[in-house]
Amino acid sequence: KAGVTQTPRYLIKTRGQQVTLSCSPISGHRSVSWYQQTPGQGLQFLFEYFSETQRNKGNFPGRFSGRQFSNSRSEMNVSTLELGDSALYLCASSLVTGFYEQYFGPGTRLTVT
Amino acid sequence: AQSVTQLDSQVPVFEEAPVELRCNYSSSVSVYLFWYVQYPNQGLQLLLKYLSGSTLVKGINGFEAEFNKSQTSFHLRKPSVHISDTAEYFCAVRSHSGNTPLVFGKGTRLSVIA
Repeated sequence: KAGVTQTPRYLIKTRGQQVTLSCSPISGHRSVSWYQQTPGQGLQFLFEYFSETQRNKGNFPGRFSGRQFSNSRSEMNVSTLELGDSALYLCASSLVTGFYEQYFGPGTRLTVT
Repeated sequence: AQSVTQLDSQVPVFEEAPVELRCNYSSSVSVYLFWYVQYPNQGLQLLLKYLSGSTLVKGINGFEAEFNKSQTSFHLRKPSVHISDTAEYFCAVRSHSGNTPLVFGKGTRLSVIA
């Protein structure tokens, strides 16, 4: 069974631009969560989607948004990029929302210059 | 709300020596506990989990962890490490109740020295 896939793996953007990251969960998984990983703050929860609905949201500004499609694939968008948005963005999938076991993708490394 | 403290940010250890990575958590409700490993340029891989039952749980790659409710700890151990165990290790908790996300510790960098 294929794992969680994230595209692109690496991305370089300029401050002020916007970016869209994509995540395809494991087949049959319907919940997708997003995390931001930085050296200073560690792993921080962004949001979780289940059945195309946002079920949970972390403490991030409104510039960070996401959505989920009917096939469970998810995208996250960051608008008006700031230097501090440089991070590894990880996507995790699980069978259903609130399910205890999550499987992580390899991440998208975003660099903002 | 839950929080996780990983007491050591870096742990150097010689190959074939035992290692313990420490994790303490804080929560007002019952939690599930996890250890994840992250190799360079990769995502997180689940090493082991405690859901209920026996407090000693065994995971992949020879790792084990013991849940101690009174100490609110979930320390990770391996009796003999290999060079390939060099990685970042994250302890995480998730509440039993409600729809809450995983809360991670800051991570412990394990460096195995030949």
